[in-house]
Amino acid sequence: GAVVSQHPSRVICKSGTSVKIECRSLDFQATTMFWYRQFPKQSLMLMATSNEGSKATYEQGVEKDKFLINHASLTLSTLTVTSAHPEDSSFYICSARDNGYTFGSGTRLTVV
Amino acid sequence: GQSLEQPSEVTAVEGAIVQINCTYQTSGFYGLSWYQQHDGGAPTFLSYNGLDGLEETGRFSSFLSRSDSYGYLLLQELQMKDSASYFCAVRPLSGSARQLTFGSGTQLTVLP
Repeated sequence: GAVVSQHPSRVICKSGTSVKIECRSLDFQATTMFWYRQFPKQSLMLMATSNEGSKATYEQGVEKDKFLINHASLTLSTLTVTSAHPEDSSFYICSARDNGYTFGSGTRLTVV
Repeated sequence: GQSLEQPSEVTAVEGAIVQINCTYQTSGFYGLSWYQQHDGGAPTFLSYNGLDGLEETGRFSSFLSRSDSYGYLLLQELQMKDSASYFCAVRPLSGSARQLTFGSGTQLTVLP
């Protein structure tokens, strides 16, 4: 079945630094990928839709200058959290659609 | 917009049957999906209802009634490993991004 690989699984960074999260579709091409954020004990909230070769579409309330998305190829989308602050600490999950929706294993970001 | 409500917590004992409800307000969607998510893990697909009625997949069944704006996931012969969060989700008819919108989530605890 379809596999989406997400790295890193965990990252701790200092406040003010930037962190890049990668999401790769391993055995299929994904023109569209989705980035979700999940706070503890809460649901997955869509942050943005990543489109290969064009600008990402951000959900209302998500700062596009803070959460930079790049989808430069049909198998790779990256999310960069810029100037991270402790309130950005969360679980970030990517997803892509093949026959169904496949999710990456998630990235636990802790900003100290 | 989309709004999918679920009970926040459900507790049951091993071997029992549990039903997790999902009531929704949406302008239209393709079908109702159910996902399981263990702590710190990726959501995994469980079941899908494109049409009204019952879908059965092993110990898991799912039901949809569009006229009642309601669906449920039924878990039978509960096992300890079923302790996890469960989310209903829809893909809206409107828009071209084909993203999933998740329900509020239900934390299921299975007791010995």
